[in-house]
Amino acid sequence: DTGVSQDPRHKITKRGQNVTFRCDPISEHNRLYWYRQTLGQGPEFLTYFQNEAQLEKSRLLSDRFSAERPKGSFSTLEIQRTEQGDSAMYLCASRRDGFFEQYFGPGTRLTVT
Amino acid sequence: DQQVKQNSPSLSVQEGRISILNCDYTNSMFDYFLWYKKYPAEGPTFLISISSIKDKNEDGRFTVFLNKSAKHLSLHIVPSQPGDSAVYFCAASAVLNAGGTSYGKLTFGQGTILTVHP
Repeated sequence: DTGVSQDPRHKITKRGQNVTFRCDPISEHNRLYWYRQTLGQGPEFLTYFQNEAQLEKSRLLSDRFSAERPKGSFSTLEIQRTEQGDSAMYLCASRRDGFFEQYFGPGTRLTVT
Repeated sequence: DQQVKQNSPSLSVQEGRISILNCDYTNSMFDYFLWYKKYPAEGPTFLISISSIKDKNEDGRFTVFLNKSAKHLSLHIVPSQPGDSAVYFCAASAVLNAGGTSYGKLTFGQGTILTVHP
């Protein structure tokens, strides 16, 4: 199976700790997106990479959030000094040039206690 | 501001009947629309899409209709099956953003919970 993968699937952390999530997109997809989903809502856009360049960031992405895609392949999303409001499902998606359909990974469920 | 709205939080349908899920949008820059299905603890799964140059797209039991003048789209599932029970999200994208480049981020509705009863 060559779908989008995310690691870890679940993360429980204490408030104030740093966490890092990883996303491996579909191999031929050069465009990668991060979204956040909270209960009862649809996914909300966080940030977008085209190859290794981060081209768009949502205003939802505070200074505590940083994302990278160092070699244009996998991506990481780091949250520093986590807060309870960061508890959510973090979703990664990828797509290829010329197509608008995005394919999502299974998500990382973050719980901040 | 909610640029994509799914006004029905839930829909209950009998197996074999038609399911119709609705979606409205406000941003006239949106010109590509997608439907996703989501099971609990999984990521959204792409179902079907439609470009604004079309008013209908069909894939097996799934048909999406787009009414640009009304800024409304709908997903029809015929016949509905119990395995279709899930949360359905409508999403929209602008092929070109205001700067003339294409980033393709998706703006989602709140979702509709579909339950298909045997």
